[in-house]
Amino acid sequence: AQSVTQPDIHITVSEGASLELRCNYSYGATPYLFWYVQSPGQGLQLLLKYFSGDTLVQGIKGFEAEFKRSQSSFNLRKPSVHWSDAAEYFCAVGALSSDMRFGAGTRLTVKP
Amino acid sequence: DTGVSQDPRHKITKRGQNVTFRCDPISEHNRLYWYRQTLGQGPEFLTYFQNEAQLEKSRLLSDRFSAERPKGSFSTLEIQRTEQGDSAMYLCASSWTGPEDEQFFGPGTRLTVL
Repeated sequence: AQSVTQPDIHITVSEGASLELRCNYSYGATPYLFWYVQSPGQGLQLLLKYFSGDTLVQGIKGFEAEFKRSQSSFNLRKPSVHWSDAAEYFCAVGALSSDMRFGAGTRLTVKP
Repeated sequence: DTGVSQDPRHKITKRGQNVTFRCDPISEHNRLYWYRQTLGQGPEFLTYFQNEAQLEKSRLLSDRFSAERPKGSFSTLEIQRTEQGDSAMYLCASSWTGPEDEQFFGPGTRLTVL
């Protein structure tokens, strides 16, 4: 059965520092992988997605993620965090849209 | 704004009552999804439509839940005989047809069952 694990429930980083959010998945076939961000009172917004090809994916707002098949990971990174990045981040996996499974999320706090 | 809209944004009801939520997708999208999100968890898939056809339902979706998309445009999600365990955020999303197509999410309807 497919599943997504986000090991970090809450992460705090200082503004300007680098960020890495971890995501591990379990899926029987080649997965489609996604990162979404959810701000309070806002809908989920897609940051980036991976289907095939280059394993380093660029997204919006300066985020990137790297697919590592051998580690079943799809970690999200940003070189310099801004205060506006504080939000909840969700990793998701699926091959068909209806099969999409989300992780439990990582809440990011940004210190001034 | 032509994004996904949901109504109402908040609903408080008493246990045993029926509630209905509405979702208006992005107009050119033919897929529409419903998810449920509880505190501290990611969204859980409930069901999805392609045009007016309901193509899949999660095993999480009990018989008290029913969803419709009568004309392939807006959708409704009804919960009958609500229980306290139904308290959650109900999210709607829409997309084009392919699995690689981005799902655009609405702001959600927060349901509180007293």
